[in-house]
Amino acid sequence: GAVVSQHPSRVICKSGTSVKIECRSLDFQATTMFWYRQFPKQSLMLMATSNEGSKATYEQGVEKDKFLINHASLTLSTLTVTSAHPEDSSFYICSARDLYASGTQYFGPGTRLLVL
Amino acid sequence: TQLLEQSPQFLSIQEGENLTVYCNSSSVFSSLQWYRQEPGEGPVLLVTVVTGGEVKKLKRLTFQFGDARKDSSLHITAAQPGDTGLYLCAGYTNAGKSTFGDGTTLTVKP
Repeated sequence: GAVVSQHPSRVICKSGTSVKIECRSLDFQATTMFWYRQFPKQSLMLMATSNEGSKATYEQGVEKDKFLINHASLTLSTLTVTSAHPEDSSFYICSARDLYASGTQYFGPGTRLLVL
Repeated sequence: TQLLEQSPQFLSIQEGENLTVYCNSSSVFSSLQWYRQEPGEGPVLLVTVVTGGEVKKLKRLTFQFGDARKDSSLHITAAQPGDTGLYLCAGYTNAGKSTFGDGTTLTVKP
């Protein structure tokens, strides 16, 4: 099956710093990637849709200046959490859509962010 | 806004029991996916169903897509502790939108 990697898997940073998370589709091209945030024992909360070569589409309530998304190629999207605060601590998961697989999204393994 | 209602939200059963998880919507989907997620990991795709009335089997898991492509079910036979996890359904439309259910947290006790 399709593989999506995500890096880093775990990051601890100080409040006020920025953190970049990478999401790569390893064996297929993804014109669309998604970024989710997940709280303990809850489902996925869509933050933004990342389209290759264009600006990301953010969900209501998600600050685009705080969560910068860049989809520079058909296999790479990045999420940068700027000026991180402790309340940004969470589990962030990316996914990539394979249009040749009936629109199926394949998920990365997630990134655990802890802001001190 | 498309909604995908998933039930039950929580399910705790003994090893060996059977269970069914449902996802229902008023919207028609061109495909529907089922995922399982374990704590600290990303969701892993179990199956994609595409055709109305389609039934797919994956060992002890049986997935069904409704005839009208608005609903789906996941049935697990003789559940094992290894089946414990968060199960998610997701419907995809031709408009390029994916809608996720709220998830079913399954606990299988040995």
